[in-house]
Amino acid sequence: AQTVTQSQPEMSVQEAETVTLSCTYDTSESDYYLFWYKQPPSRQMILVIRQEAYKQQNATENRFSVNFQKAAKSFSLKISDSQLGDAAMYFCAYRSAGGGGGADGLTFGKGTHLIIQP
Amino acid sequence: EAQVTQNPRYLITVTGKKLTVTCSQNMNHEYMSWYRQDPGLGLRQIYYSMNVEVTDKGDVPEGYKVSRKEKRNFPLILESPSPNQTSLYFCASSTGTTKQETQYFGPGTRLLVL
Repeated sequence: AQTVTQSQPEMSVQEAETVTLSCTYDTSESDYYLFWYKQPPSRQMILVIRQEAYKQQNATENRFSVNFQKAAKSFSLKISDSQLGDAAMYFCAYRSAGGGGGADGLTFGKGTHLIIQP
Repeated sequence: EAQVTQNPRYLITVTGKKLTVTCSQNMNHEYMSWYRQDPGLGLRQIYYSMNVEVTDKGDVPEGYKVSRKEKRNFPLILESPSPNQTSLYFCASSTGTTKQETQYFGPGTRLLVL
């Protein structure tokens, strides 16, 4: 079974600075997808960014970018020019691209609580 | 507006009293899923459905039932709730055509079982 580990329960950054959230995963598969979700105080789950494992190029969405290291099984999220609205829980998630039995959804890490200092 | 809706949003109940949390999506998605979120554990999948009349267990299915009689609806049933089912529950859906497709989450249902 796949596991996703977020080793930072909480991170703090000054507004306008850059912060990197860490995520590692364990899998024996070669084809899969990785996601970062944001959960603000409203509890809504919002997709931030997505990465296909077969793509070497790191995904980027405006101020959000990832550093995907497939060999190291690492998938970190970088937030540039942090804003107060970025304060939230951030979850890293894995989804297998293969078929077969077993659960067929997202495997989540335990989350990182990001605090933005004004 | 494309969305996943859940009802109720908040629910307090007592041990053993059957309850149903409804989930509905208006995006014609084939794939639907239920997750529970507990402090320090992230989200864990309870059940999922690839299409109408097709459901399967996720990582934590014990104590839950689901049904998929219509494409848009995927209710979560707790036949005899217990306090360890106190949690935040999310329904999610996606097209199901490829696994890279984004899963759209509902707003969540906060359940307290006394």
